[in-house]
Amino acid sequence: NAGVTQTPKFRILKIGQSMTLQCTQDMNHNYMYWYRQDPGMGLKLIYYSVGAGITDKGEVPNGYNVSRSTTEDFPLRLELAAPSQTSVYFCASSYAGTINEQFFGPGTRLTVL
Amino acid sequence: QQPVQSPQAVILREGEDAVINCSSSKALYSVHWYRQKHGEAPVFLMILLKGGEQKGHEKISASFNEKKQQSSLYLTASQLSYSGTYFCGTEEENFNKFYFGSGTKLNVKP
Repeated sequence: NAGVTQTPKFRILKIGQSMTLQCTQDMNHNYMYWYRQDPGMGLKLIYYSVGAGITDKGEVPNGYNVSRSTTEDFPLRLELAAPSQTSVYFCASSYAGTINEQFFGPGTRLTVL
Repeated sequence: QQPVQSPQAVILREGEDAVINCSSSKALYSVHWYRQKHGEAPVFLMILLKGGEQKGHEKISASFNEKKQQSSLYLTASQLSYSGTYFCGTEEENFNKFYFGSGTKLNVKP
């Protein structure tokens, strides 16, 4: 099992550019999450999904979009990148919501200049 | 609503004990604890559910006071490997959303 994988590991964007952060899990988990972590801070939930075709906003969804067409994949789309989106992005998955542990991917470090 | 963690930072010598607290103003359904090493992803430690028992493994244990909506993480006889930032995460009753605290940085010195 690879667990939760994320690509790319690093990315530099210019203001106004767009990109998609990829997240894939091979544990057949229903729940998937996207978090951002600013330097020295905790993780903030951007979006989450309870299954294929079902997504919902988290604490800080503005500037992002998600889709969940399969159980395995949960991509995060950034439209019109802004410097405030400079952060480390973590994808996570769990079997059945918050009664189970979340498994985190290695993260994507994004810089917007 | 984001839970509040205290203290923000702790410095210990090997073998000393520490307690990290996590509290919420909302009624909680679950509390998670994770540890994150610098430059790495968070790693799960344990979950406490409403109505559940105190959890623990090896020298790390945790409790959940449902009346106070407060959880505490206990690290006993600390080891160098315990260094890192500890986060609690909470889910409020009747909500699916999950919130992490701002973290407690633990530094264990020889």
